[in-house]
Amino acid sequence: SQQGEEDPQALSIQEGENATMNCSYKTSINNLQWYRQNSGRGLVHLILIRSNEREKHSGRLRVTLDTSKKSSSLLITASRAADTASYFCATVQDKLTFGTGTQLKVEL
Amino acid sequence: NAGVMQNPRHLVRRRGQEARLRCSPMKGHSHVYWYRQLPEEGLKFMVYLQKENIIDESGMPKERFSAEFPKEGPSILRIQQVVRGDSAAYFCASSPSQGTDTQYFGPGTRLTVL
Repeated sequence: SQQGEEDPQALSIQEGENATMNCSYKTSINNLQWYRQNSGRGLVHLILIRSNEREKHSGRLRVTLDTSKKSSSLLITASRAADTASYFCATVQDKLTFGTGTQLKVEL
Repeated sequence: NAGVMQNPRHLVRRRGQEARLRCSPMKGHSHVYWYRQLPEEGLKFMVYLQKENIIDESGMPKERFSAEFPKEGPSILRIQQVVRGDSAAYFCASSPSQGTDTQYFGPGTRLTVL
């Protein structure tokens, strides 16, 4: 299996709820990044967390990184319908390696 | 400051034809990356280029695929003698420095091979 696997593969929640997505990886990393992709569109960078950081916030996003477990999580609080998209983690050694993504659907 | 630009956005080719995909990085960015995304999958790294140099092409298929980033003009991803399996979305990204920093993605080119 590839570096950077997201869990769950798909997630459906109601608007206002929190969404949590997890990413596991296999090798050592320099940093880990999360991206969002709306259907049929390019990727938008959300947040970068370095290997010596444990938690980072950006607006309604909270990212954690546990290098001992080789895992990261992305939490979106107070979700909105506009958050509906696919979310990818990407691990960085000398290049970005993307996971398979979590498809998030936020329903009204 | 315009973002990463890719053209065409959609490209249809018949088997055996050539596909040329163009990518203009953000202003001031000298590092370009190409990725391929198959339906329902994540992006797969293909190649990393700086001006006039291929730095890492470990993700490029050995045959039919080539990439360049000339001193002047956009980066080009060229696929010769396309086959149906080449149908995918091809994304270009750029960064001001080496790839451990944030990469900025273009909207992608969707290639369909008939």
